[in-house]
Amino acid sequence: GAGVSQSPSNKVTEKGKDVELRCDPISGHTALYWYRQSLGQGLEFLIYFQGNSAPDKSGLPSDRFSAERTGGSVSTLTIQRTQQEDSAVYLCASTREGQNEQFFGPGTRLTVL
Amino acid sequence: DQQVKQNSPSLSVQEGRISILNCDYTNSMFDYFLWYKKYPAEGPTFLISISSIKDKNEDGRFTVFLNKSAKHLSLHIVPSQPGDSAVYFCAASVGPNFGNEKLTFGTGTRLTIIP
Repeated sequence: GAGVSQSPSNKVTEKGKDVELRCDPISGHTALYWYRQSLGQGLEFLIYFQGNSAPDKSGLPSDRFSAERTGGSVSTLTIQRTQQEDSAVYLCASTREGQNEQFFGPGTRLTVL
Repeated sequence: DQQVKQNSPSLSVQEGRISILNCDYTNSMFDYFLWYKKYPAEGPTFLISISSIKDKNEDGRFTVFLNKSAKHLSLHIVPSQPGDSAVYFCAASVGPNFGNEKLTFGTGTRLTIIP
């Protein structure tokens, strides 16, 4: 597609449930990033994938968060046993090799009741 | 620890005038800076960037200024237009400028252009 796409656009879940958020990066982009924006906050880095290298997981807030990137393209962010503080907009971005300008998807708004 | 700070949560500017958005950072290792614009219910859109080897970068109505000694950058929009009303995020990265570095974002400034 022309841009980064994310699904679902909105997700409401109950505390304690697991959720999966999906990101389709721009074709040919080698790096993929996950960020989240909590209410009134800036974008917080979570994890990033660069080609075949081991992902940088330094931003994941707890071991309930994990992410995969299959075939160097689509990525899934999984949050296990969701908590109310996980409520945020989760944004995915991708970029071409050698670039710093990241292209963002529209985000998934997660609400944990 | 907020390494990138945007101390003005909101700014209102008359159409046609100059909008100046400010950003301060604390990490002296940051060497690449970017501005993003965000409309409601959309992802941030890249606007303009600057490397630490420069002190100014201009692209049409948008100019970014970098003052490394003060650890300060600013985005100037002139003339301001109604479509510029959005939230603006400042971001920074650390690295050898090979690209693909994670970004550290500020909390954003909501710019409102008054017709």
